[in-house]
Amino acid sequence: DVKVTQSSRYLVKRTGEKVFLECVQDMDHENMFWYRQDPGLGLRLIYFSYDVKMKEKGDIPEGYSVSREKKERFSLILESASTNQTSMYLCASSFRGRSGNTIYFGEGSWLTVV
Amino acid sequence: DAKTTQPNSMESNEEEPVHLPCNHSTISGTDYIHWYRQLPSQGPEYVIHGLTSNVNNRMASLAIAEDRKSSTLILHRATLRDAAVYYCILRDGLRAGNMLTFGGGTRLMVKP
Repeated sequence: DVKVTQSSRYLVKRTGEKVFLECVQDMDHENMFWYRQDPGLGLRLIYFSYDVKMKEKGDIPEGYSVSREKKERFSLILESASTNQTSMYLCASSFRGRSGNTIYFGEGSWLTVV
Repeated sequence: DAKTTQPNSMESNEEEPVHLPCNHSTISGTDYIHWYRQLPSQGPEYVIHGLTSNVNNRMASLAIAEDRKSSTLILHRATLRDAAVYYCILRDGLRAGNMLTFGGGTRLMVKP
C-alpha cells in the first residue's frame, strides 16, 4: 500500500515561531509537493521538488522554505509563523515522467498560528 | 496552464448514476485529464485519468469528448461514501514537475 505520511495531524504554534512540517513517502518517488488548502481558495502549490536537493517555487512560496536532503523526505519550513499561515497543509508525491502518473497525498496537517 | 471549469455543486440520489462534467476548452495535445476527489478531512485521492480514449476502472468511468474540450466523470452507482469534492485537472505531459493545479471542484452531495 502506497503511503505519504505527514508527521503531525494538528499543530498549534505561536506567531514568530519556526515551524517544521515533515513528510515522508515510501514509494521511491522523485517528485514531492507541498500544498496549502483554504476555504474558498482550494489547493495552492507552495513548493515542489523533483529530486534530492532540488526545489522549485510554486504559486505561493512567500513565507515558506523547503528542504529535501533525502529522497523520501520533504520538509516545509515556516521561518517565522504568522496568523495568515493558519491553514491545512498537504504533502504529495509522484514518479517523475509522463503526466499520467498518479499523485499520492498525505492526510494533511492542520496548523493554527495564534 | 490550461484551465478547467466545473459546476460548484451537484446532488445525486444514492444508488443512481452521477455524471460530473468538466470543460477544458484550451486543452493542449499533451495534457492528460485527471480526476481526483477529496473526502471530508482527508487529502485528495486519485480517481481516474485519460488522454484521448474513454477509460474505466473500479471506481469510475471517464468519457472524453472527441475534440477533448470536455470530459465527464461517471460514477455508476453513487453511495453515501462518494460524497466529496471532485476535481478535474489537466496535467501537462511535457512538464518535468507534473504538478497538479487544482480548481474549485464540484461538491457532490449524495442523498439517501
